Amino acid sequence: AQKITQTQPGMFVQEKEAVTLDCTYDTSDQSYGLFWYKQPSSGEMIFLIYQGSYDEQNATEGRYSLNFQKARKSANLVISASQLGDSAMYFCAMRGVEYGNKLVFGAGTILRVKS
Amino acid sequence: EAGVTQSPTHLIKTRGQQATLRCSPISGHTSVYWYQQALGLGLQFLLWYDEGEERNRGNFPPRFSGRQFPNYSSELNVNALELEDSALYLCASSMTPYYSSYNSPLHFGNGTRLTVT
Repeated sequence: AQKITQTQPGMFVQEKEAVTLDCTYDTSDQSYGLFWYKQPSSGEMIFLIYQGSYDEQNATEGRYSLNFQKARKSANLVISASQLGDSAMYFCAMRGVEYGNKLVFGAGTILRVKS
Repeated sequence: EAGVTQSPTHLIKTRGQQATLRCSPISGHTSVYWYQQALGLGLQFLLWYDEGEERNRGNFPPRFSGRQFPNYSSELNVNALELEDSALYLCASSMTPYYSSYNSPLHFGNGTRLTVT
């Protein structure tokens, strides 16, 4: 069964430092996609970054990068140079053929950036 | 480009009533998804519509239903409301056909916050 695990309920990071949010997944699919979303307190879900199972390079989008380790089934999000506006809930998610390509989410990690 | 729009923003209903939530996808997107985000339960998949057809359904009772219109907008109906239906309901859209969508991100609206009293 598809499963997404985010083991860090909450994280603190000092402004301007880098932070890594952990995500591990479990699937029997060979073709799948991994996604990270940000949810500020206002509630909207903001798409941050995507990594395909066949992509050999780690995905990057501005200050966001995805540390993809396929053999370990991990897809950690790295945020560089944290800003106060990065304080939010972060969700790791996955899509695969086995379960109809629906997007399955982890429980999320609350990130607080300190000034 | 306009994003996914949801209405209403807030909805207050009494137990036993019916609620109707609406969603307009991003222009050009044919797939619409509904998720429920209840306090402490994370994001739960509800329904997925593509080209007017229901493609997948989450583990929710039949009183949760929906449809997709020819213009790809969608409606979520919740009948016989219960207190535990209180949640943020998020709609999302994507442009990739359902059969090849594993690499396509979903783009979410701001949600409808449903409160059942």
